Amino acid sequence: EAGVTQFPSHSVIEKGQTVTLRCDPISGHDNLYWYRRVMGKEIKFLLHFVKESKQDESGMPNNRFLAERTGGTYSTLKVQPAELEDSGVYFCASSHWRTGGTYEQYFGPGTRLTVT
Amino acid sequence: AQKITQTQPGMFVQEKEAVTLDCTYDTSDPSYGLFWYKQPSSGEMIFLIYQGSYDQQNATEGRYSLNFQKARKSANLVISASQLGDSAMYFCAMREGPTAPIQGAQKLVFGQGTRLTINP
Repeated sequence: EAGVTQFPSHSVIEKGQTVTLRCDPISGHDNLYWYRRVMGKEIKFLLHFVKESKQDESGMPNNRFLAERTGGTYSTLKVQPAELEDSGVYFCASSHWRTGGTYEQYFGPGTRLTVT
Repeated sequence: AQKITQTQPGMFVQEKEAVTLDCTYDTSDPSYGLFWYKQPSSGEMIFLIYQGSYDQQNATEGRYSLNFQKARKSANLVISASQLGDSAMYFCAMREGPTAPIQGAQKLVFGQGTRLTINP
């Protein structure tokens, strides 16, 4: 079974440019999450999709961030325009509920975003 | 207020020794779950172990065990017989609220992590 994949693994852009990050969850996982770790800080929640619907987007920093999950499969996270403070590692995770399960989230390898 | 606290930014342990990574948490929700993840230098986050707030026994997974002390709100990770490959960043995380069918309360709150280095 393929794990969570993220693309690109690393992106370097200039302030003011646009970047789109992609996440492919584990097949069949309805829940998809985005998290971010800024240098030296803890990993912070951004938003949660259940299938194609945004269940919780309380962690989105501002309206420069736009997440989509068309068709309930892969998700994209667009940053437009990027600012210096957006630099960090963006993680995607997916999970699937099953009876008696722990609902653990499986994480992708992350996308390291550097805004210069 | 910080909900997950990992007080050890770094730890150095000799190979084959046991190691305990500390984690304390804060929540007023009676239903919650605690997770430990390992992040090696390659960057991926690997799920290690889970403890539910209503679980009667401490969770164990191979060399990993979770020392769950509910009254003290601590969920320390114990790694027995450490190996060189255990060198990594370790994160404690908490999920508040019950599991499905309430799917909205599933986000994880993370601590700042502990960097564990195993010396040969």
